[in-house]
Amino acid sequence: NAGVTQTPKFQVLKTGQSMTLQCAQDMNHEYMSWYRQDPGMGLRLIHYSVGAGITDQGEVPNGYNVSRSTTEDFPLRLLSAAPSQTSVYFCASSYGPGGILYNSPLHFGNGTRLTVT
Amino acid sequence: TQLLEQSPQFLSIQEGENLTVYCNSSSVFSSLQWYRQEPGEGPVLLVTVVTGGEVKKLKRLTFQFGDARKDSSLHITAAQPGDTGLYLCAGVVIYNQGGKLIFGQGTELSVKP
Repeated sequence: NAGVTQTPKFQVLKTGQSMTLQCAQDMNHEYMSWYRQDPGMGLRLIHYSVGAGITDQGEVPNGYNVSRSTTEDFPLRLLSAAPSQTSVYFCASSYGPGGILYNSPLHFGNGTRLTVT
Repeated sequence: TQLLEQSPQFLSIQEGENLTVYCNSSSVFSSLQWYRQEPGEGPVLLVTVVTGGEVKKLKRLTFQFGDARKDSSLHITAAQPGDTGLYLCAGVVIYNQGGKLIFGQGTELSVKP
């Protein structure tokens, strides 16, 4: 099992460019989510999905789009990158929706470090 | 909006000392998880506490969930350099379509030999 795989590991964008951060998991997890991590702010939830075809917004969704066409993949799209989106992005998956199955941990990828100039 | 306040943000101690990290909120969580993160990697789950007043021990680490399920603490006894890392608490919030984890800001722990 590879677990949660994120690509790319590093990316530099110019303001206004678009890109997609890829996330794939091979654990057949229903729940997937995207977080951004900034110094002193912990992990903030961007978007999450409780299954294929179902997505919802988290705490900081503006500037980001997601879709979930398969159980395995949950890409995060930046339509027009801004310097405020410079951050480390983590994708995470869980066997359960996190709330209903109390002992379901989040399995994290190793992150994508994004810089927007 | 559920907020989790974690303190302290930074902690630098000598090997062998004890420490406590706190995680507080005005909101009630259905459960609370603690994660540890090393540089360049994603967080890894340490423990989940579910019941108000629950205490769980993992070797030198003791986790407690408050009676009202609004706060939690992590106590490390006789810290070792291998304990160095970022510690994150995360509260589970249930919504109609499932649940989500809300994270605290994290505590950066450095244990010096």
